[in-house]
Amino acid sequence: RKEVEQDPGPFNVPEGATVAFNCTYSNSASQSFFWYRQDCRKEPKLLMSVYSSGNEDGRFTAQLNRASQYISLLIRDSKLSDSATYLCVVNPRTGGYNKLIFGAGTRLAVHP
Amino acid sequence: DARVTQTPRHKVTEMGQEVTMRCQPILGHNTVFWYRQTMMQGLELLAYFRNRAPLDDSGMPKDRFSAEMPDATLATLKIQPSEPRDSAVYFCASGQGPTSTDTQYFGPGTRLTVL
Repeated sequence: RKEVEQDPGPFNVPEGATVAFNCTYSNSASQSFFWYRQDCRKEPKLLMSVYSSGNEDGRFTAQLNRASQYISLLIRDSKLSDSATYLCVVNPRTGGYNKLIFGAGTRLAVHP
Repeated sequence: DARVTQTPRHKVTEMGQEVTMRCQPILGHNTVFWYRQTMMQGLELLAYFRNRAPLDDSGMPKDRFSAEMPDATLATLKIQPSEPRDSAVYFCASGQGPTSTDTQYFGPGTRLTVL
């Protein structure tokens, strides 16, 4: 089983739609959670951190469910510019150092 | 706007040749990561330095790959000899301080093709 699993998509949605991505992680002791965004042929960039209480940044809302080991990202009022791959990322913080474990990504295509 | 820089951006080489990729982290960042991204495997951590000391290179094939930080402004990833299965995009990322691992700034990547 992969440490971080995501539905690869693609999710094809019209502008203005609401779309949700889910992600599960295997290490129950994981401490930090993030969503990164990667545009086609570009580098990943941090989109937002995910907190236990849930957090919102404009049209983006991230949720964490530790009991189910599940992370979600909701995008409201989708824009064409939201088309990208969204990477679910976990930092297990084990072994005396910490590192990011990336999911394979969920591709989103927003069309007019 | 400070950025991580990587050279070369593209590299095409033949099997058996040596490949050296370079990364300049953001000035003042003390943590540097090397990743490899392929369609099949996604983004994988190869090596990780803090204050120029290697902390983790467990993701790196030891027989042909080596990573170094000769100084605080330069990180290198070398493959010798290269093989077709090494074809991928290699990203360098840097971070700073207590959240240096959580908030990583990626360079544009080196797209490597080994024929």
